[in-house]
Amino acid sequence: GAGVSQSPSNKVTEKGKDVELRCDPISGHTALYWYRQSLGQGLEFLIYFQGNSAPDKSGLPSDRFSAERTGGSVSTLTIQRTQQEDSAVYLCASSSYRGPNYGYTFGSGTRLTVV
Amino acid sequence: GQQLNQSPQSMFIQEGEDVSMNCTSSSIFNTWLWYKQDPGEGPVLLIALYKAGELTSNGRLTAQFGITRKDSFLNISASIPSDVGIYFCAGQFYYQLIWGAGTKLIIKP
Repeated sequence: GAGVSQSPSNKVTEKGKDVELRCDPISGHTALYWYRQSLGQGLEFLIYFQGNSAPDKSGLPSDRFSAERTGGSVSTLTIQRTQQEDSAVYLCASSSYRGPNYGYTFGSGTRLTVV
Repeated sequence: GQQLNQSPQSMFIQEGEDVSMNCTSSSIFNTWLWYKQDPGEGPVLLIALYKAGELTSNGRLTAQFGITRKDSFLNISASIPSDVGIYFCAGQFYYQLIWGAGTKLIIKP
């Protein structure tokens, strides 16, 4: 697609439920990144994919968080047993090469609210 | 861990005024970037800095990469209403970006 597409744009869920957030990167971009942005904060790195592999999962806050990428394209970030502290905007970015020098483009994010 | 200290946290300015914000770090970064984020959108790249001491302009925006590669500033000249938003600095660490907390720019009516 023309840009990075994320869905849903907003998600309200009850504490304890599982949620799936989707990212559709720019066509042909091999690298994909997930970040989390809490209110009034900068972005926090979660995970990086190169193709379908995730060389770095170090930013995932707990084992309730997981992510996968299939076909070198769409990625899904799953949060199990959501907690209120998971409320944030989850941003996805893709690039044609490792690193922000090469067209690192962000989606509009998914705003997750856990009630 | 690595972190960037960005200041000021927010700025209230009159239209037409010049704006200055900066970031400092205890770590050296090879690349510094400045992004702008509008409400409900992802950050958009404004300026990328690759060399120590580099001064780069993009329209009314000017950014400089500090000699030590541990700091950077962003200036906006003659601010206009569409400049409102949150400005972030970010340092590149391999494939990650390490982010400042942002400077919120508000233009007084």
